[in-house]
Amino acid sequence: EPEVTQTPSHQVTQMGQEVILRCVPISNHLYFYWYRQILGQKVEFLVSFYNNEISEKSEIFDDQFSVERPDGSNFTLKIRSTKLEDSAMYFCASSGQSGPQETQYFGPGTRLLVL
Amino acid sequence: AQSVAQPEDQVNVAEGNPLTVKCTYSVSGNPYLFWYVQYPNRGLQFLLKYITGDNLVKGSYGFEAEFNKSQTSFHLKKPSALVSDSALYFCAVRGRSSNTGKLIFGQGTTLQVKP
Repeated sequence: EPEVTQTPSHQVTQMGQEVILRCVPISNHLYFYWYRQILGQKVEFLVSFYNNEISEKSEIFDDQFSVERPDGSNFTLKIRSTKLEDSAMYFCASSGQSGPQETQYFGPGTRLLVL
Repeated sequence: AQSVAQPEDQVNVAEGNPLTVKCTYSVSGNPYLFWYVQYPNRGLQFLLKYITGDNLVKGSYGFEAEFNKSQTSFHLKKPSALVSDSALYFCAVRGRSSNTGKLIFGQGTTLQVKP
């Protein structure tokens, strides 16, 4: 069964450093998402991406964040200058072609720790 | 504003007993509703969704959920709980007017099934 994959599974970085989190969505999916989950809190939407552009972003997704689909398979989330409060589990998700009623399938997550 | 509430942080049931994990939502218009399960150190796994039609939705692993429009609820149920069902369960909603697919999650309910 196809699945969303994410690398790395864990990332430790120093405050102020740049990190890139990588995701390989399900191959025929067209909609891509990033969510995050701070320890003990709910899963929060960050950004949605379709047709090579951001379709919606949350207030969390400020200028320090960017997303890119550099080739036909990868979908990346970059945090330019990490802050302590960026420590969280980051989930990538993808969904198929039919729009918002489609199920989003999530990857296993990248646990980011900013020191 | 769209929101989801899961009023119980934890639900404890004995193996073999029926289980219910509660979810209520607030969204303008008719929603799309989802349940996901998260096992320790794993990503979110899709269980079931309500799009339209029959209010009782059946999903993976014997789970089902009932959409109740008048009570704005989408409670997750299973007739006979297994120890292996112990996990963190998330309810999520997406408004039908959304064309970006953004999911709004509840805070999660930990299900503990004791042998």
